[in-house]
Amino acid sequence: QMQVVQSGPEVKKPGTSVKVSCKTSGVTFTNTAVQWVRQTRGQGLEWIGWIVVSSGDANFADKFHNRVSITRDVSTNTAYMQLSGLSSEDTAVYYCAAAGVMTFAYEFWGQGTLVTVSS
Amino acid sequence: EIEMTQSPATLSLSPGERATLSCRASHSVSSNLAWYQQKPGQAPRLLIYGASSRATNIPARFSGSGSGTEFTLTISSLQSEDFAVYYCQHYIRWPFTFGPGTKVDFK
Repeated sequence: QMQVVQSGPEVKKPGTSVKVSCKTSGVTFTNTAVQWVRQTRGQGLEWIGWIVVSSGDANFADKFHNRVSITRDVSTNTAYMQLSGLSSEDTAVYYCAAAGVMTFAYEFWGQGTLVTVSS
Repeated sequence: EIEMTQSPATLSLSPGERATLSCRASHSVSSNLAWYQQKPGQAPRLLIYGASSRATNIPARFSGSGSGTEFTLTISSLQSEDFAVYYCQHYIRWPFTFGPGTKVDFK
């Protein structure tokens, strides 16, 4: 059974960057895809982007295209999401979720990482 | 970008009742549709993928149907733990957008 553990909460100043990690275990990391999703307080789920772990190919929602980077390190079974140019509107809980590339069923979710942007 | 809509926004029901939640895509997503349940303070939980396949350890009272642009999540008999927010998400091509959610609450 796959487990997904994200890095801890972050407090950032406006204009800076944040990098959230997503460590997986229990399955072959290179047979997965990882998506990143965020949720502002009381709101719905917003798709940020995804990465196919085997190839490293990543795609992003247009809203984040110029500010986000999604990478992976297959030696540590970890995916990363870095968001730059932070503003208060980026204050949210960020989730990663992993799926097998046969089904793309995002069954394994991290616990979420609260990113607070405040001056 | 494929837009996802869900209806109703809120569904007020009593335990034991049947819940029927709808999800609509602006363009065909074939069967590349998932349903998630989310409770306050928790990560989403995958219920259904491939429009109709239950995820691991999901009770049989949850079922999904539909293809193309119209999808339905049915909870045959609501249990107390089922009162939550439900989201649909397509994954036919990125961006894999979510619907705005349906809140199932106590009548």
